[in-house]
Order: sequence, then C-alpha cells, then structure tokens
Amino acid sequence: EVQLVESGGGLVQPGGSLRLSCAAAGFTFRSYWMSWVRQAPGKGLEWVANIKEDGSEKYYVDSVKGRFTISRDNAENSLYLQMNSLRADDTAVYYCARESGSGAFDIWGQGTMVTVSS
Amino acid sequence: EIVLTQSPDFQSVTPKEKVTITCRASQSIGRSLHWYQQKPDQSPKLLIKYASQSISGVPSRFSGSGSGTDFTLTISSLEAEDAAAYYCHQSSSLPWTFGQGTKVEIK
Repeated sequence: EVQLVESGGGLVQPGGSLRLSCAAAGFTFRSYWMSWVRQAPGKGLEWVANIKEDGSEKYYVDSVKGRFTISRDNAENSLYLQMNSLRADDTAVYYCARESGSGAFDIWGQGTMVTVSS
Repeated sequence: EIVLTQSPDFQSVTPKEKVTITCRASQSIGRSLHWYQQKPDQSPKLLIKYASQSISGVPSRFSGSGSGTDFTLTISSLEAEDAAAYYCHQSSSLPWTFGQGTKVEIK
C-alpha cells in the first residue's frame, strides 16, 4: 500500500527545536520530489518546503528560511524536517506529501501536530 | 509569489445541486493548477490535476476547467459525502501556493 506516515510532532517552547520524520512505503521513494505542507488550526494549507529526488535541490517558503531544513534519506525511504527557532505561528499540523510529475500532491500523510507554546 | 483567490469562501448547497468554485491566479500559470478536497479531521485528497485531468478513484461528478488565470471546479450533482473544504494549488512557480479554501456545507 502506498503510504506516508509522519511522526515527531509535539509541544515545544518558543525558540525550541523539533525534528519531524515521514516514512514512505509502497512506492519508489527516491524517484519523487517530496514536500512538507502545514495547516494552522482552523486555517488553510501552506506549502513549507520541498526537496528533489536526490536531495540536491531544496526550496522553502520565506517564513521558514534559515530556521527549517528539509532533508531525505533514500536508503531509509524517509523525509525529514528540522525545525529550529520555533515561533507560535509555526503551530500547525504538518503533512508530508509526494509531488507527482505534474507538481500535484498525489499522496499525503495523516499529519503530525506541532504546538509552539510556553 | 503567485496569489490564488478562491470564491466563494463558503457555500451551503442542497443535495443534487450543481456546485461551482472558482480560483483566480494573480498571474498566468498555464494549466499548473490542482484541486483538493479536505474533509474534517482528514488529510487533503487530490481531486483534479493540471486544471482538468481526472484522478483515478475520484467520482466523475468532479470536473475542472480553465487555463491562464481563471479556473473552475465543478461538482455536477452534490452528494452528502461532498461536504468538505476545497483548495486550489499552483505548481507553476515556487513557492507553491494554495487558495484560501472554500467550505461546502450540505443544506
């Protein structure tokens, strides 16, 4: 079965760090761009970052540049998001998503909740 | 950054009615526009890619059209299970962006 499973969310204080993981199964992970997309409580979807198949290219939304780092381990079929200097407005459900050839997100994980609060 | 503006923000619709949601881009994006459905407490689900291409397993009552800056998602005959939020998304130019969402409620 094709699936993505996120983990690593939780409660963290402002200024703290958290590392999210996304385990892929059922498809050739190394053949796809991958993204992180987040959704603040009661709000819409926001793309956060993506990474090329081999990890050689990475892109970020301006609001997380310099604070978040996306990475992947194709041998482990895993995607990561290292989040540093967390702020209250980073509070959201974080989804990992597979980018199809068209750029559409055709597979989504179930999401992991990140809460930044003192 | 390309801004996507959806309308309406909210729609209350009777079953079997036709639903039309529009998405306008702040600049031309060709056909690099995709539509998602998100039901409460669920992850988003891809409905339509490249403006009008259907997705396997998605009911045929969902269709998309448009190119350039103006796009439409149509639900030809609304069913109760279609109560959800709908989002458009562009993959023409980074950063990828989403519309603000349209919530469809069943009357």
